[in-house]
Amino acid sequence: SQTIHQWPATLVQPVGSPLSLECTVEGTSNPNLYWYRQAAGRGLQLLFYSVGIGQISSEVPQNLSASRPQDRQFILSSKKLLLSDSGFYLCAWSQGLTGQPQHFGDGTRLSIL
Amino acid sequence: GQQVMQIPQYQHVQEGEDFTTYCNSSTTLSNIQWYKQRPGGHPVFLIQLVKSGEVKKQKRLTFQFGEAKKNSSLHITATQTTDVGTYFCAGPNQAGTALIFGKGTTLSVSS
Repeated sequence: SQTIHQWPATLVQPVGSPLSLECTVEGTSNPNLYWYRQAAGRGLQLLFYSVGIGQISSEVPQNLSASRPQDRQFILSSKKLLLSDSGFYLCAWSQGLTGQPQHFGDGTRLSIL
Repeated sequence: GQQVMQIPQYQHVQEGEDFTTYCNSSTTLSNIQWYKQRPGGHPVFLIQLVKSGEVKKQKRLTFQFGEAKKNSSLHITATQTTDVGTYFCAGPNQAGTALIFGKGTTLSVSS
């Protein structure tokens, strides 16, 4: 069966520091991968999605970036965090290109001080 | 741009009462999906509806996809405290590369 791992679960970072969140998927090949951000009590904001290695589509211009160095690895990064980057970051995967169901990782709660 | 809207934003019920959340898309959808996010957790896929007018049931949950494939509803019969959480509907974007999520309906249940 397929599993998705996301870490760390919780992160507290100072303003201006770098960020690296990692997500890996097991049990499937060539998944579509997604990064979302969810502010407290709010909906899901799609940040990036990837349909293959090295292929990244950005939905929201900001100081975050994403990379997909391997088929089942998706990384969210920032060179300098802003206060507004606080939130709950979720990685998800799906199979296929036709809006198939997505399966989410446990998420990372990021607090910026 | 393409939008998926959900109402209500919040709903509080007494245990045993019914609950319904509604989802409306600005465009015709190839499918509609429903997710549940428990407090402190991550969204979990519940179901996908594909056909016009489709109705599916999961125990006390009934999901419906409208005839025009632009709206959907989730109905919970006799709510329980385990139903607490936020329910999201989502539909594919026109390119089929990502899902457009509604903002969710947060359900609270008091016993």
